[in-house]
Amino acid sequence: QVQLVQSGAEVKKPGASVTVSCKASGYTFTDYYIHWVRQAPGQGLEWMAWIQPTSGATNSAQKFQGRVTLTRDTSISTVYMEFSRLKSDDTAIYFCTRSYGAGSYRGWFDPWGQGTLVTVSS
Amino acid sequence: DIQMTQSPSSLSASVGDRVTITCRTSQNIIRYLNWYQQKPGEAPTLLIYGASSLQSGVPSRFSGSGSGTQFTLTISSLQPEDFATYFCQQFHSSPRTFGQGTKVEIK
Repeated sequence: QVQLVQSGAEVKKPGASVTVSCKASGYTFTDYYIHWVRQAPGQGLEWMAWIQPTSGATNSAQKFQGRVTLTRDTSISTVYMEFSRLKSDDTAIYFCTRSYGAGSYRGWFDPWGQGTLVTVSS
Repeated sequence: DIQMTQSPSSLSASVGDRVTITCRTSQNIIRYLNWYQQKPGEAPTLLIYGASSLQSGVPSRFSGSGSGTQFTLTISSLQPEDFATYFCQQFHSSPRTFGQGTKVEIK
């Protein structure tokens, strides 16, 4: 079955960077975009960025530009999200998810990874 | 960015009740609207895509409707496993945006 499995929880100090991985299985990795969505404690969902695994092209929400970097290793069907210059309000669960298209063609998210809690605290 | 407004933000209902959740968008998104369910401590799961298409494996008591700027998610007969938070999400324009969520609680 299609699965996205993320790396484990992280605790970081303000100003540090964190890298979260998302390993895909059960489908052709290069056929789908991988997105990152975060959820602060008790809050809603916020889309951050996507990567197209074939080309490596990326796009991110304006508020995260310059801080989020997505890369991929197609040999192991894994996407990495590096998030830099962390602040306390970046404390959140970070989810990876996939969509067939980046725009309005088949642009729904399914399935989702289990989530990775990133805690930013001094 | 397209703003998404869900209502209500929470509701209490009993097993067997019919439940309707509304999502309004700040711009016309045609039918580029999805609904997700999230249970505590879990990742969201896709219920409805393209405003009214039922995701494979999702019970038929869930349905979606609407177009333009107003959409609804209906649960025809609430079951114990449906107590969760529901989010709408648009995929008409980037950045993709979500509603703030509607928490469905047991009455």
